[in-house]
Order: sequence, then structure tokens, then C-alpha cells
Amino acid sequence: DAGVIQSPRHEVTEMGQEVTLRCKLISGHNSLFWYRQTMMRGLELLIYFNNNVPIDDSGMPEDRFSAKMPNASFSTLKIQPSEPRDSAVYFCASSSQGQNSPLHFGNGTRLTVT
Amino acid sequence: GNSVTQMEGPVTLSEEAFLTINCTYTATGYPSLFWYVQYPGEGLQLLLKATKADDKGSNKGFEATYRKETTSFHLEKGSVQVSDSAVYFCALSGGSGNTGKLIFGQGTTLQVKP
Repeated sequence: DAGVIQSPRHEVTEMGQEVTLRCKLISGHNSLFWYRQTMMRGLELLIYFNNNVPIDDSGMPEDRFSAKMPNASFSTLKIQPSEPRDSAVYFCASSSQGQNSPLHFGNGTRLTVT
Repeated sequence: GNSVTQMEGPVTLSEEAFLTINCTYTATGYPSLFWYVQYPGEGLQLLLKATKADDKGSNKGFEATYRKETTSFHLEKGSVQVSDSAVYFCALSGGSGNTGKLIFGQGTTLQVKP
């Protein structure tokens, strides 16, 4: 089991550019979570999916952010246009459904917007 | 709504000292409780969990007991090592009105000095 795989590990881009972050879930998991981590705000849940369906996107900062699950094993988080305040580490996590199921996190994508 | 509160860090200890990181929660119903650990440059990893009152989760010398009467899930370790230096997150899942997402505390940084 390769675990949750995120790409890229690091992304540096200029303000106004589109950024796409990618995540591959662990095989058999059906819940997918996107988190953002900063020093100021800690760990924030942006959105999560169950069985490819978005359940709660109340944490998505604004319309510039969008997330998709084109299939059961893959997800993207897109920021368009990016801004310096979007700089953070973005984590993807997956789990089996059920409140006792732990989350398995990827190693994150460190995004820097200049 | 459901929430988790952790003691503020950083916590600095000498090797072999006793560790306690306090965690209290607010939730209706019967949530599951978790401790996650994040090492530098990595995603969060599950450290231990407890799914019902009076359960004790344990792993790698760490322990935490689910105390419903005090709504607490304090993390303890009898003798810390330098390699335990990391950020520790308390979290809950489930309970009434929770749609399956994991709610994290703000994290507590532990630094262990030789």
C-alpha cells in the first residue's frame, strides 16, 4: 500500500496563475478530505467527499477554489487565480467511511505564491 | 457545534521526562477521539484512538483515556525521547450532527532536548 500520494511536493507560482494540486487515494477508501495548514490558522478543512460526492465545502475560502473527484481514486484542488495569501501546505487525506475510521494523510504540497 | 481544545505549546521537555498534553472536547452524542502526530515535512499520522467512554488508546508508549465525565482525552507518555519531537493534534469524529468529518484541535508542538 503506497499510501495517499500528493503531487507536486512543492509549487512556486506567481500571483494570478492557476494552480492544480493532485491527490491519489488509498485503494478501497471512499472518503477524501482536503486540508490547508498555515502557521496563523493551523489545520483547516476545506472540503470533503464521500463516494465522489462533495459533502461539505463550507471551508473553501472563496470561488477561486474548486475541488473535483473525476473518479473514485483521484482528486484535484484548483486555485484560479492564485494569490499570495493562498501560500500554505495543502494536505489530502482519505479514509474508509465511518466515524471510527482514521484518516491517512499524504505528505502535502507546499504552495508558495509570489 | 463540535470542537476540540488543546493546551497551547510549545512544550519543551528533557529526555526521559513525563509528558502530558491536555485535550478537551465539546460534542453531543458519542464521538470517537484520536491523537495524530506530525513530524517535520510530513503529513499527520494516526497515533492512537478511542471509540467509547473509558477506552484507553495506546501506541509507542503513548496513552490517552476517553473520559466522558470530564470530556477529556489527555495524551501521556512516561518517558519522552528526542525522536518524539513533533506536533500533536487531538481530534474527534462523529457524535450527533457530525457528518463524518474529523475536527482537529490547534496542535501542540513538543520539543524534547537531549
